[in-house]
Amino acid sequence: AQSVAQPEDQVNVAEGNPLTVKCTYSVSGNPYLFWYVQYPNRGLQFLLKYITGDNLVKGSYGFEAEFNKSQTSFHLKKPSALVSDSALYFCAVNGGNSGYALNFGKGTSLLVTP
Amino acid sequence: DTEVTQTPKHLVMGMTNKKSLKCEQHMGHRAMYWYKQKAKKPPELMFVYSYEKLSINESVPSRFSPECPNSSLLNLHLHALQPEDSALYLCASSQDRVQETQYFGPGTRLLVL
Repeated sequence: AQSVAQPEDQVNVAEGNPLTVKCTYSVSGNPYLFWYVQYPNRGLQFLLKYITGDNLVKGSYGFEAEFNKSQTSFHLKKPSALVSDSALYFCAVNGGNSGYALNFGKGTSLLVTP
Repeated sequence: DTEVTQTPKHLVMGMTNKKSLKCEQHMGHRAMYWYKQKAKKPPELMFVYSYEKLSINESVPSRFSPECPNSSLLNLHLHALQPEDSALYLCASSQDRVQETQYFGPGTRLLVL
């Protein structure tokens, strides 16, 4: 089955510094990769996805992600973090024998300090 | 507009109650989903409807009964739940292709006493 792994439970970064939230994937065939963000007591908000094409994907709120096939990674990045970016971030994958089902990573809690 | 609405926002029910969760979207999406999410954990897929037909049931106990009355509505009927069923229940919808983005509603926070 398609799967993703988020190796970090928590990432801490100072406001204004660049941030990276890591995700690696394991898929058969071509991956469909997604990033979602969840604020406390809220649903998931879509940030960006990789289907095919350019390895650098730009998304909402200044976030971007780089698809790296050789390293099987899809790390989420932002050049300058905001305190309001503090939230829970999920990487997800579907397709292949997982079909429609989005298989999520365990989530990474991002804390941006002033 | 990428809005999925869910009602109610919060629900408290006893183990003998029957209640329903409701989800609605007006984006013309033909795939709709129910996910269950425990605190600080990733969402887990429960059901997928495609063109109003149940296409995936992830071995969910029969005390959860989904229903898709039309292409815009998705219900989840609850009966005889257990305290461990307390969670955030998320609805999502997408176009009917695997690579399409799933858009999530705000969820219903369920507490079973």
